[in-house]
Amino acid sequence: GAGVSQSPSNKVTEKGKDVELRCDPISGHTALYWYRQSLGQGLEFLIYFQGNSAPDKSGLPSDRFSAERTGGSVSTLTIQRTQQEDSAVYLCASSLLTGTQHFGDGTRLSIL
Amino acid sequence: GNSVTQMEGPVTLSEEAFLTINCTYTATGYPSLFWYVQYPGEGLQLLLKATKADDKGSNKGFEATYRKETTSFHLEKGSVQVSDSAVYFCALSDLWGKLTFGQGTILTVHP
Repeated sequence: GAGVSQSPSNKVTEKGKDVELRCDPISGHTALYWYRQSLGQGLEFLIYFQGNSAPDKSGLPSDRFSAERTGGSVSTLTIQRTQQEDSAVYLCASSLLTGTQHFGDGTRLSIL
Repeated sequence: GNSVTQMEGPVTLSEEAFLTINCTYTATGYPSLFWYVQYPGEGLQLLLKATKADDKGSNKGFEATYRKETTSFHLEKGSVQVSDSAVYFCALSDLWGKLTFGQGTILTVHP
């Protein structure tokens, strides 16, 4: 498995619960991106990590969303107090510096 | 800010028909331009890209030319196949690689 790996592939949770989504990028890729794909908003950028630099959080829709990247590798996107409008497919991508991005299969999040 | 506008879909064609999906963009500077494809049940894949004006990206019979004067990156294929049925996304990247996507165009090709 040399590709970007995301888990879980599907997540169903109740409104108000917290969720954690995981992304395991391609080994050696310095950049990691999170995007969200939803019916109403299409594909939108959420957050970007590049090496040890401070992340670009400009796409996060609210302060309920946060992400971290540990050791320059695995990343976790956390959504607190989930709302129904958070239902979407969350995509992770990685690249060498700012090269071609390779996408994972995504996590489909459903908020009941 | 950056934005990408794709032609409205869905697009339905017969096999061997000619395909054009229009894409125009608004951006500061000189972005790189991409077409991504999402086949049914699969993840997002890069189809082709162009990094500077007048560059032509091509792959699997698809082509797109980076037109700075018209800020466009239209996707074309001379003869589509049933296996080309998918959702196609036009996108641009800024200096840091962040992608801005168009709305996506659903293509269905009938035998």
